[in-house]
Amino acid sequence: GENVEQHPSTLSVQEGDSAVIKCTYSDSASNYFPWYKQELGKRPQLIIDIRSNVGEKKDQRIAVTLNKTAKHFSLHITETQPEDSAVYFCAASSNFGNEKLTFGTGTRLTIIP
Amino acid sequence: GAVVSQHPSRVICKSGTSVKIECRSLDFQATTMFWYRQFPKQSLMLMATSNEGSKATYEQGVEKDKFLINHASLTLSTLTVTSAHPEDSSFYICSARGLGATNEKLFFGSGTQLSVL
Repeated sequence: GENVEQHPSTLSVQEGDSAVIKCTYSDSASNYFPWYKQELGKRPQLIIDIRSNVGEKKDQRIAVTLNKTAKHFSLHITETQPEDSAVYFCAASSNFGNEKLTFGTGTRLTIIP
Repeated sequence: GAVVSQHPSRVICKSGTSVKIECRSLDFQATTMFWYRQFPKQSLMLMATSNEGSKATYEQGVEKDKFLINHASLTLSTLTVTSAHPEDSSFYICSARGLGATNEKLFFGSGTQLSVL
């Protein structure tokens, strides 16, 4: 089955700086990669996703890049703000999101004011 | 976006009792629901996938007789933790999607924190 690894497990950045979180996956059949933001005790919220037919996607301060050859994808948050502090999970699934999601281990992002 | 309601949000029970968690889709028909458990500071681990009207598919290592899943209607799925023990204490969360929808349209419930004494 699919295995998704995520790094780093914790990340602290100064407000206004950029944050990068990286994930690798093992199943070459995976072709849908979402990122979720989860605040403590709350439901995960989809913040951005990418399909394998594109290499990069951007939505305001958030971007995701995908390297299919290397089987890794990354989340980039620019101009970080205190409200960006949360746990971020990457995930992967095949069949363009029709199959079950496999989640990464999570990154606790702390923005230092 | 669509809303998935999960209840209760928190439950404390004695060891040996059973606990039922409900997950409802409020404004769409959820043909597929997923149940996860999440230990503190850890990832979401898929327990089972349920499709309306059929038996749930459990992930390896998840005891189906202990974690009973019922998906009898297009708007309601339930997870019953039978004979709960302290090691079952965890955050349980559901997610749902509609007919023909992919994970791009996957909506999560708000989670249930289960504490077994």
